Amino acid sequence: AQSVTQPDIHITVSEGASLELRCNYSYGATPYLFWYVQSPGQGLQLLLKYFSGDTLVQGIKGFEAEFKRSQSSFNLRKPSVHWSDAAEYFCAVGVLNSGNTPLVFGKGTRLSVIA
Amino acid sequence: ETGVTQSPTHLIKTRGQQVTLRCSSQSGHNTVSWYQQALGQGPQFIFQYYREEENGRGNFPPRFSGLQFPNYSSELNVNALELDDSALYLCASSLKLAEETQYFGPGTRLLVL
Repeated sequence: AQSVTQPDIHITVSEGASLELRCNYSYGATPYLFWYVQSPGQGLQLLLKYFSGDTLVQGIKGFEAEFKRSQSSFNLRKPSVHWSDAAEYFCAVGVLNSGNTPLVFGKGTRLSVIA
Repeated sequence: ETGVTQSPTHLIKTRGQQVTLRCSSQSGHNTVSWYQQALGQGPQFIFQYYREEENGRGNFPPRFSGLQFPNYSSELNVNALELDDSALYLCASSLKLAEETQYFGPGTRLLVL
């Protein structure tokens, strides 16, 4: 069964600093990979996704992520963090070519942004 | 194009009661999935509905049940509520069965006392 690990429970960065959130997955084949963001008391907003092709994917709000098959990783990056980026970030994996497409989520990384 | 909507936004119930949560999928989407997000955790898959039939289920007991209607809206029903059922319940829709991208609603926060 697939699983997702987000090693960092909580990260604090200064506004304007760069950001990298880590995500490792366990799955025997090429998965679909997603990053979602959740603001307090809100649902999940899709930031970006990887299905195939270019391993560096661009998302909304200036985020990007890189798929590294050899490391089973899909880390999320942003070159300059804004205070409004403070939220919970979830990495998720989906099963390729499955008729039943549940997403498996990591436990999330909470991002705090300080001035 | 309207996004995924859910009702109610908040709900308080007592142990043993039953609850029904509702979800309207994004326009044109025929597949709906439900997730439970406990406090401090990532969402966990409950089940998925496609064309009014359950199409996969996670590790949840039978007292969690659902429905999907011809307009693709959906309900999640939970019987015999337990304290551990307190969570944010998220509905997600996708364009078609094999479409992996799921779009989430704002969720219903359920508190069981």
